[in-house]
Amino acid sequence: DTEVTQTPKHLVMGMTNKKSLKCEQHMGHRAMYWYKQKAKKPPELMFVYSYEKLSINESVPSRFSPECPNSSLLNLHLHALQPEDSALYLCASSQPATGAVNYGYTFGSGTRLTVV
Amino acid sequence: AQSVAQPEDQVKVAEGNPLTVKCTYSVSGNPYLFWYVQYPNRGLQFLLKYITGDNLVKGSYGFEAEFNKSQTSFHLKKPSALVSDSALYFCAVRTESGGSYIPTFGRGTSLIVHP
Repeated sequence: DTEVTQTPKHLVMGMTNKKSLKCEQHMGHRAMYWYKQKAKKPPELMFVYSYEKLSINESVPSRFSPECPNSSLLNLHLHALQPEDSALYLCASSQPATGAVNYGYTFGSGTRLTVV
Repeated sequence: AQSVAQPEDQVKVAEGNPLTVKCTYSVSGNPYLFWYVQYPNRGLQFLLKYITGDNLVKGSYGFEAEFNKSQTSFHLKKPSALVSDSALYFCAVRTESGGSYIPTFGRGTSLIVHP
């Protein structure tokens, strides 16, 4: 299995809702990432988990809450979002920086989030 | 700091013609460079990478890239463009942060291949 699977593919939520995005990989990768991408822009890094511990939080608002329950799963909990949070949310996984050349950075297909 | 620049917002080419999407880099040490492609409403797909070795790197879907150290460039090329190659292309350089290797992306270049 060489894929990163993200669910749901599309999500529409109100500003008072609570929802979660899910990401799963079975490649044995021990680093997982959340990105936010606006149309025709590069992905912006939000969070990095390395060995199931949060290692990078790029000053993301607290209405986004990541969780890494195990080495294969990564969640992004959403609460009280704003319309400007509407974007494509991408998950990725890789091996951590062990010095290995082929660290296999792989993206999922993303969740298209619309906040109304 | 590691960075890449994509000077063109958009590249237009006719089907069957060769295409080039430009990327220049600025790194300390050896550059690890990548190209990704993104089709509408999809994630990023890996095309190819340069780590070391031959300056001409071959990748997926008939794409190749030429690493040029003197010009600090890593341009993406294809000898004969297809309409289905129309997509958003990102050049990236590997950056180490917080114990992870993270791609630092260029701004992206929209490739339009017209019939």
